[in-house]
Amino acid sequence: EVQLVESGGGLVRPGGSLRLSCAASGFTFSSYSMNWVRQAPGKGLEWVSSITGRSSYAHFADSVKGRFTISRDNTKNSLYLQMNSLRDEDTAMYYCVRDGDNNGFFDSWGQGTLVTVSS
Amino acid sequence: DIQMTQSPSSLSASVGDRVTITCRASQDISTYLAWFQQKPGKAPKSLIHAASRLQSGVPSRFSGSGSGTDFTLIISSLQPEDFATYYCQQYNSYPPTFGQGTKLEIK
Repeated sequence: EVQLVESGGGLVRPGGSLRLSCAASGFTFSSYSMNWVRQAPGKGLEWVSSITGRSSYAHFADSVKGRFTISRDNTKNSLYLQMNSLRDEDTAMYYCVRDGDNNGFFDSWGQGTLVTVSS
Repeated sequence: DIQMTQSPSSLSASVGDRVTITCRASQDISTYLAWFQQKPGKAPKSLIHAASRLQSGVPSRFSGSGSGTDFTLIISSLQPEDFATYYCQQYNSYPPTFGQGTKLEIK
């Protein structure tokens, strides 16, 4: 069974930094591209970033480009999101999501970790 | 970016009803379209990908159709556990984008 467990969320002041982690199990982690998708309170879903299985390519939403970095450690079956220069509008639940066919289909989601940016 | 527009934004229906939710893309996305179900306080759950392929374990009362710019999610006979918010998402090109959601409520 695919399991994705996020951690690292919390309260941070504007301009601060936070690193999210996602522990994956139940599948061959290195074979799949992975993503972060976020959801602001009471709002819809927004894709944030993706990274290919061997970290060859990464993509970012314009809203986070230059501030967020995505990485992975296939030896630890883990995905990361380094978030710098955080803004109020980054407040959201952040989900770790597997690309089920390496073609962009988000087939498995973690339970999410909440990031709150507030002074 | 490709804009995804769902209609309606909200919908009231009864158990046993047939429900149709539509999703329109701002440009041709072939069949690179997925549907998700989200219940309050929970992560989204994938229902359908490639416009019409049901995810393993999803009840057959869910079906999807369409290609190009116009897509449909149909729930043939609503069950109590189907009341949730539904999102479409295109994965034809970066960035992947979602519709605004359709909230399905009990009448």
